[in-house]
Amino acid sequence: AQSVTQPDIHITVSEGASLELRCNYSYGATPYLFWYVQSPGQGLQLLLKYFSGDTLVQGIKGFEAEFKRSQSSFNLRKPSVHWSDAAEYFCAVGARGNNDMRFGAGTRLTVKP
Amino acid sequence: SAVISQKPSRDICQRGTSLTIQCQVDSQVTMMFWYRQQPGQSLTLIATANQGSEATYESGFVIDKFPISRPNLTFSTLTVSNMSPEDSSIYLCSALTGSSYNEQFFGPGTRLTVL
Repeated sequence: AQSVTQPDIHITVSEGASLELRCNYSYGATPYLFWYVQSPGQGLQLLLKYFSGDTLVQGIKGFEAEFKRSQSSFNLRKPSVHWSDAAEYFCAVGARGNNDMRFGAGTRLTVKP
Repeated sequence: SAVISQKPSRDICQRGTSLTIQCQVDSQVTMMFWYRQQPGQSLTLIATANQGSEATYESGFVIDKFPISRPNLTFSTLTVSNMSPEDSSIYLCSALTGSSYNEQFFGPGTRLTVL
């Protein structure tokens, strides 16, 4: 079965600084990979997804993520963080051929003024 | 894509009572799911809501505690039965459309507090 690890529970960055959130997955074949964001008191919003093709994917709100098969990683990046990016970020992996999806534990992002 | 609404958005309930959460999707979807997010935790899949048949429950979740209905392709309910304070969580509904390559769309969640 697939699994996801987000090594960082909490990250604090200054507004305007760059951001990288780490995600490592375990799956025997090429997975479907997702990043979701959850603002306080809200549901989950999809930031971006990877299914196949170009390993660098662009998402909403200026986020991007890179799929690295050799490292089993799918790290989320943003060149310049805005205060409104403060939220909980979840990486998820889905398996081809079924509808099972596993979520990482989440990384809470705090943005300092 | 799909837009999902949930009712209620939040509730405070007494121990021993039951609460039914409704999930409505704005279009027909192939699959619907119910997740639980305990305070400060990630999402845990409770069950897959199957249209016209019994839900498929994940390990650790049972029908008597979390009965689920899905009468059509756009609507599902989750009931949290005989509640205890340990059931205090956010309950999220999600849906999978036929063309979205396993991409799940989520509702805003129902924040449940059990006293």
